[in-house]
Amino acid sequence: TQLLEQSPQFLSIQEGENLTVYCNSSSVFSSLQWYRQEPGEGPVLLVTVVTGGEVKKLKRLTFQFGDARKDSSLHITAAQPGDTGLYLCAGARGNEKLTFGTGTRLTIIP
Amino acid sequence: NAGVMQNPRHLVRRRGQEARLRCSPMKGHSHVYWYRQLPEEGLKFMVYLQKENIIDESGMPKERFSAEFPKEGPSILRIQQVVRGDSAAYFCASSRDQYGYTFGSGTRLTVV
Repeated sequence: TQLLEQSPQFLSIQEGENLTVYCNSSSVFSSLQWYRQEPGEGPVLLVTVVTGGEVKKLKRLTFQFGDARKDSSLHITAAQPGDTGLYLCAGARGNEKLTFGTGTRLTIIP
Repeated sequence: NAGVMQNPRHLVRRRGQEARLRCSPMKGHSHVYWYRQLPEEGLKFMVYLQKENIIDESGMPKERFSAEFPKEGPSILRIQQVVRGDSAAYFCASSRDQYGYTFGSGTRLTVV
């Protein structure tokens, strides 16, 4: 069973601060995705990374895929209250289904 | 801009009844996935279907749960003889390939 561990599990910081969320596994993935989920809604895809070492930026969010394609990080610069939510990483191997991480619940305090 | 449509949004069933959850994938998407989410937990894979075929049902409980994706119409997740432990949010996702799922808003099943 592929296991994706996210850390931290909970994170509460002040508006304007920076933060990094980690997603780690002992398995290699062909692609890794990050989702954000708000209460009462389904997860929304933020980004997909497929190449080891790949870095993608989405406004204040920076996503990195590890060189060995076993881990990933999400860095948020100058966090805003609108960034509050549950962040989920998910990995896929070939055409198999996505396996989701344990989640990081982020709260940005105004 | 029709995304993945799930209905109903909320479903209440008494113990022993049947629950039917429906999912219409995005236009052009032929892959459908069902996931279950318990409060404060991540998403647990249940089943992966393509039209008229179950590709991977390794996450489905062996009894009472079944899923289908017929040639015409939505995908259906069916839970027979529901028990309190079945209470959860059930999410459906669709994709064109493995590089990005689009999720529905989920069905919140409550068993009383």
